[in-house]
Amino acid sequence: GDSVTQMEGPVTLSEEAFLTINCTYTATGYPSLFWYVQYPGEGLQLLLKATKADDKGSNKGFEATYRKETTSFHLEKGSVQVSDSAVYFCALRSGSARQLTFGSGTQLTVLP
Amino acid sequence: DGGITQSPKYLFRKEGQNVTLSCEQNLNHDAMYWYRQDPGQGLRLIYYSQIVNDFQKGDIAEGYSVSREKKESFPLTVTSAQKNPTAFYLCASSIFVTGNTGELFFGEGSRLTVL
Repeated sequence: GDSVTQMEGPVTLSEEAFLTINCTYTATGYPSLFWYVQYPGEGLQLLLKATKADDKGSNKGFEATYRKETTSFHLEKGSVQVSDSAVYFCALRSGSARQLTFGSGTQLTVLP
Repeated sequence: DGGITQSPKYLFRKEGQNVTLSCEQNLNHDAMYWYRQDPGQGLRLIYYSQIVNDFQKGDIAEGYSVSREKKESFPLTVTSAQKNPTAFYLCASSIFVTGNTGELFFGEGSRLTVL
């Protein structure tokens, strides 16, 4: 079945540091890939998405590129801020699947 | 504004009691979902529904029940049969049309604590 493996956290960075959160997946066919963000005590918000190989999703300074050859969708940001502190979830939807498959989430803390 | 409304945000329950969590959406989405989130863990699917009067069990449906009498509403009942119900519950919806990427839109969540 489909699965998503995320880099284990927690991740702690200083403000303005470079961020990478690794995400790899196993799926049939050509899934759509997503990154969601969850701020404390809130629901999940879609951060970015990509629907085919080599697509790059971007939003709020975050980027992720759909790499079919390595089945990866790593999240990156060049300079993190304290306000980026949250839990980040990688997810996929493959083919006609009725629901998304989520990774276990990565807690990011950015220190001033 | 369009969105998903979950209520209540916080709920306390005594052991042995059933409790119902409300989820309403005005996005005109076909599909709705309930997830459970435990501290430091990912999301686990409880139930989902693609159309009115139809729903399917997810990975952890035991001890939960749902109904889908209206397109806009998908309430979740946590029954006394659920052995460890203390958790954060998230409702979501999506368009389900062939070719659509089908991303989920989430509510703000309901935190249930069993005393």
